[in-house]
Amino acid sequence: EVQLLESGGGLVQPGESLRLSCAPSGFTFSNYAMSWVRQAPGKGLEWVSGISGSGGSASYADSVKGRFTISRDNSKKTLSLQMNSLRAEDTAVYYCARIPAMTTVTRFDYWGQGTLVTVSS
Amino acid sequence: QSVLTQPPSVSAAPGQKVTISCSGSSSNIGNRYVSWYQQLPGTAPKLLIYDNDKRPSGIPDRFSGSKSGTSATLGITGLQTGDEADYYCGTWDSSLSGGNWVFGGGTKLTVL
Repeated sequence: EVQLLESGGGLVQPGESLRLSCAPSGFTFSNYAMSWVRQAPGKGLEWVSGISGSGGSASYADSVKGRFTISRDNSKKTLSLQMNSLRAEDTAVYYCARIPAMTTVTRFDYWGQGTLVTVSS
Repeated sequence: QSVLTQPPSVSAAPGQKVTISCSGSSSNIGNRYVSWYQQLPGTAPKLLIYDNDKRPSGIPDRFSGSKSGTSATLGITGLQTGDEADYYCGTWDSSLSGGNWVFGGGTKLTVL
C-alpha cells in the first residue's frame, strides 16, 4: 500500500526557516517524481515544487522560487522541502504527492495527509 | 486568480447528475492532459480522473471526465451525499518560465 507521511510543520515567525519531510512507503521511491502542494486555510490547492525521480531536476512555483528548495535522498527514501524567509502567505497545509512518472508532471496519484505550517508573529 | 477557471459551487439532488467545468487556454488544457481531484472535508485530495477521461482503479464509473479544446468537464451521475466535496482540475501550464503545474480554484459540490 502506497503511503506518504509528512512531518516538520509548526509555528514559525516571519523570516524564519522550516524543513518539511515526507517519508514514502509501499513503492520504489527512486522510480517516481515527487511534488509538494499546499493549501492555505479555506483556500484552494497550489503547486509548490517538484523533483524528478533521480533528484537531478527540480522546479518551483514563482511564489516560492529563491526561498524554497526541494530535495530527495533516494537511499534514505526521504523527500524534503527547505523553506527559508517564510512569509505569512506561506501559511498552509503542505502535502507531499507522488507523480507516476520519472520526470514529467502528469498528475498526482497519491497524497500524504499533510502537515500544517503557520507563519505568524 | 487561478489560471484554470472553475465555478465556485454546484449543487444537485441525490441521484441526479452534475457537471463541473474547468476552463483554460492553449498553454495548458489545450495541449495537456487534465486530471481531477476530490477533496472530502478535512482530508487530503484524491485523484479522481487522469489523462482527461481515465479513472484510477477503485474510482466508480459514476465519475467521468472529458476535454474539448481548452475546457474540461467532470461529470458525476447518481449523486450521493458522500460525494459532497471540493473538486479541483489540474494540468501543466507552459506559459510561465519553465512551466508549472496549475490547479483550478476548486468547486464545492453540495448534494441537497
